[in-house]
Amino acid sequence: EDQVTQSPEALRLQEGESSSLNCSYTVSGLRGLFWYRQDPGKGPEFLFTLYSAGEEKEKERLKATLTKKESFLHITAPKPEDSATYLCAVQAYSGGGADGLTFGKGTHLIIQP
Amino acid sequence: NAGVTQTPKFRVLKTGQSMTLLCAQDMNHEYMYWYRQDPGMGLRLIHYSVGEGTTAKGEVPDGYNVSRLKKQNFLLGLESAAPSQTSVYFCASRPNRAAQYFGPGTRLLVL
Repeated sequence: EDQVTQSPEALRLQEGESSSLNCSYTVSGLRGLFWYRQDPGKGPEFLFTLYSAGEEKEKERLKATLTKKESFLHITAPKPEDSATYLCAVQAYSGGGADGLTFGKGTHLIIQP
Repeated sequence: NAGVTQTPKFRVLKTGQSMTLLCAQDMNHEYMYWYRQDPGMGLRLIHYSVGEGTTAKGEVPDGYNVSRLKKQNFLLGLESAAPSQTSVYFCASRPNRAAQYFGPGTRLLVL
């Protein structure tokens, strides 16, 4: 069974204080790992897809990295508008649901001015 | 492009009532999905479709039915609503070999 564990559950940072969010996964053949951002009352917004260990992707203050067992979402010099819940999900080659995603529970990030 | 839209945004049902949630996408995507999101549980896949006229069960399909008569629409039905189906429902779609794009969600309260 595919599993995704995100840590910490919640994180409060000061504006400009860099940090990382962790996503550990167990999957029978990784097709892709996805990061989403979700604001309160809205649907998840796609951020990144990572396909193989060693891959990195960046977007503004966010950088996602991937190893064989986990992924990190690094946030550099965050701003209050980066406050959101960040979701990690995996897609397995042989997973049930024809490429449906298995999600972690998310990390609730708060950036204080 | 409107992307993925969901109707209604919010609904209150009484136990035993039925309803249909509509998901529409204007991106010509083949794959469509229905998820539910509950506090402390994360998003879970209910049903999915790999193309017009096809549907299949996901992780938590019991109590739900789906139909995809047109490529752009994916309907989720509750035949006899139960309080355990109180949740936020998200529809998503994707083209081949790409990320899923989510709609804004439907909040359902079953009393």
